[in-house]
Amino acid sequence: RKEVEQDPGPFNVPEGATVAFNCTYSNSASQSFFWYRQDCRKEPKLLMSVYSSGNEDGRFTAQLNRASQYISLLIRDSKLSDSATYLCVVNPRGGYQKVTFGTGTKLQVIP
Amino acid sequence: NAGVTQTPKFRILKIGQSMTLQCTQDMNHNYMYWYRQDPGMGLKLIYYSVGAGITDKGEVPNGYNVSRSTTEDFPLRLELAAPSQTSVYFCASSSTGLAPYNEQFFGPGTRLTVL
Repeated sequence: RKEVEQDPGPFNVPEGATVAFNCTYSNSASQSFFWYRQDCRKEPKLLMSVYSSGNEDGRFTAQLNRASQYISLLIRDSKLSDSATYLCVVNPRGGYQKVTFGTGTKLQVIP
Repeated sequence: NAGVTQTPKFRILKIGQSMTLQCTQDMNHNYMYWYRQDPGMGLKLIYYSVGAGITDKGEVPNGYNVSRSTTEDFPLRLELAAPSQTSVYFCASSSTGLAPYNEQFFGPGTRLTVL
């Protein structure tokens, strides 16, 4: 099993739709989780951290399910500008050298 | 505050040539990283550094070398370039290595082709 797994997509959704991505991780000792966004041929940029109690940032909601070892990202009211690849990032406590990036889920928002 | 800068943006090398990819950050971050990203793949850690004078191997270090003489700079050296090193190279930095505060800031990348 891969350390971090994501559905590569693409997820093609119309503007205004709600879309959700999941990311599963294999290391139960994982302590921190992030979602990064990567536009085509650009560098990854932090979208949001994922907290144990779940967290929201505008139209974006991140959730963590430790029992089933997955994190999720929910995007409401999708915009054309949300089209990008979303990378899941997982690392264990203090394990900076063990940070693992998922291969990403591609989202295409259609007019 | 420029963040993380990388040069060059693009480079074509012939097999067997060598080059250095430059990375500089102006955020006074102790931790710096080099990744490569092949098409459709995730980022693979090549080398990382926890401070000036300290470097260590990541997941895919073969064919690369690094040095960290200052906090700001973390160059990546390719010796004897091979086609398998064709990739996009990203440099990143973070203020700390401790989760969950170790958000990484990335440079714009260097697109390298080895022919």
